[in-house]
Amino acid sequence: DVKVTQSSRYLVKRTGEKVFLECVQDMDHENMFWYRQDPGLGLRLIYFSYDVKMKEKGDIPEGYSVSREKKERFSLILESASTNQTSMYLCASSFGTAFVQYFGPGTRLTVT
Amino acid sequence: GENVEQHPSTLSVQEGDSAVIKCTYSDSASNYFPWYKQELGKRPQLIIDIRSNVGEKKDQRIAVTLNKTAKHFSLHITETQPEDSAVYFCAAILSGNTGKLIFGQGTTLQVKP
Repeated sequence: DVKVTQSSRYLVKRTGEKVFLECVQDMDHENMFWYRQDPGLGLRLIYFSYDVKMKEKGDIPEGYSVSREKKERFSLILESASTNQTSMYLCASSFGTAFVQYFGPGTRLTVT
Repeated sequence: GENVEQHPSTLSVQEGDSAVIKCTYSDSASNYFPWYKQELGKRPQLIIDIRSNVGEKKDQRIAVTLNKTAKHFSLHITETQPEDSAVYFCAAILSGNTGKLIFGQGTTLQVKP
């Protein structure tokens, strides 16, 4: 079974803090994705990566950056957290040209 | 940019009834359409998907239909059960072999016992 894990289930941070969210997959998937989930807005793509050190902006990259130094790990960075970044963050991975994405359990981030 | 519209946003049915969720997409070259189910507090999981070379696919009580001309696809759940209660997301692959999925807004399905 594909296993995608995220570093935290719940996280509370203060405005202006730098926040790191980590995602790890154990299936040697090339593609990794970070989504933000908000009620009524579905899953919105923040960034994705199709190879080590490669990244591309998704639909809502503002205020976020990413890092992929190893194939199995994809990190989402909030350089200076703001209250409007309070949300559920989901990581996903997929294999090469296969389209099926496998999701992690999510991190519920609250910025106060 | 490309988008996927999903309706309804909420759906309530009696146990045993059928449920239908509809999605329309804008990328005419899209060729892969998955449906994900997200139970409360859990991660989204793929329940069924369809590629553009077929018009319908079934898996026990769930089925997906695709109309490429109209650019819409639907999820059909028959004989609904309380455990079908969840949020359902449709998605369409962005053309260009990027592996990117564009998701709909989600439908909260409640099955009343």
